[in-house]
Amino acid sequence: AQSVSQHNHHVILSEAASLELGCNYSYGGTVNLFWYVQYPGQHLQLLLKYFSGDPLVKGIKGFEAEFIKSKFSFNLRKPSVQWSDTAEYFCAVNAHAGKSTFGDGTTLTVKP
Amino acid sequence: EAGVAQSPRYKIIEKRQSVAFWCNPISGHATLYWYQQILGQGPKLLIQFQNNGVVDDSQLPKDRFSAERLKGVDSTLKIQPAKLEDSAVYLCASSPWGLAGALNTGELFFGEGSRLTVL
Repeated sequence: AQSVSQHNHHVILSEAASLELGCNYSYGGTVNLFWYVQYPGQHLQLLLKYFSGDPLVKGIKGFEAEFIKSKFSFNLRKPSVQWSDTAEYFCAVNAHAGKSTFGDGTTLTVKP
Repeated sequence: EAGVAQSPRYKIIEKRQSVAFWCNPISGHATLYWYQQILGQGPKLLIQFQNNGVVDDSQLPKDRFSAERLKGVDSTLKIQPAKLEDSAVYLCASSPWGLAGALNTGELFFGEGSRLTVL
């Protein structure tokens, strides 16, 4: 069975600080990887995705993530966070049959 | 394009009562999912439909939970009788997975969720 581990439950940063959120998954085969974001009061929405090609993928609002197959990792990064990035971030793995498994999420609080 | 619609947004019931949640996916999406999200945890898959057939319901507590998607479009998730531990947000998502010609990356499109409180 596939599983996803997010290392940080709650991250607090000041505006302009750099962000890196860790995500590791367990599954030996081919996977599609996702980061979803849930802003306060809104529904879960896609931030970025990887399914093939360049392991460095770029998403909305300046976010990027790097797939490192040898480390089973898909870490999310942003060079300079803004107050509006305050949200909950979920890493997800889709290995087969359209079934996605989610991590327990990281709450990011950006102080203005 | 209209998103995934869910209702009700909030529901408070007492334990042992029943509740039903409704979901209408994005038009044309073949696959529909119900996830349970308990506070402080990530979404956990309850059931996955492709068209009107069940693909995976291995994590659905079938003694109290049921779900249907009769015409391959909208879906209903029912809990009867509810327990305190069922307090959670019930998320419906859809994807084009399984649609001929669709790019099946597994991306999910979520509704706003239905928040259930069991007292």
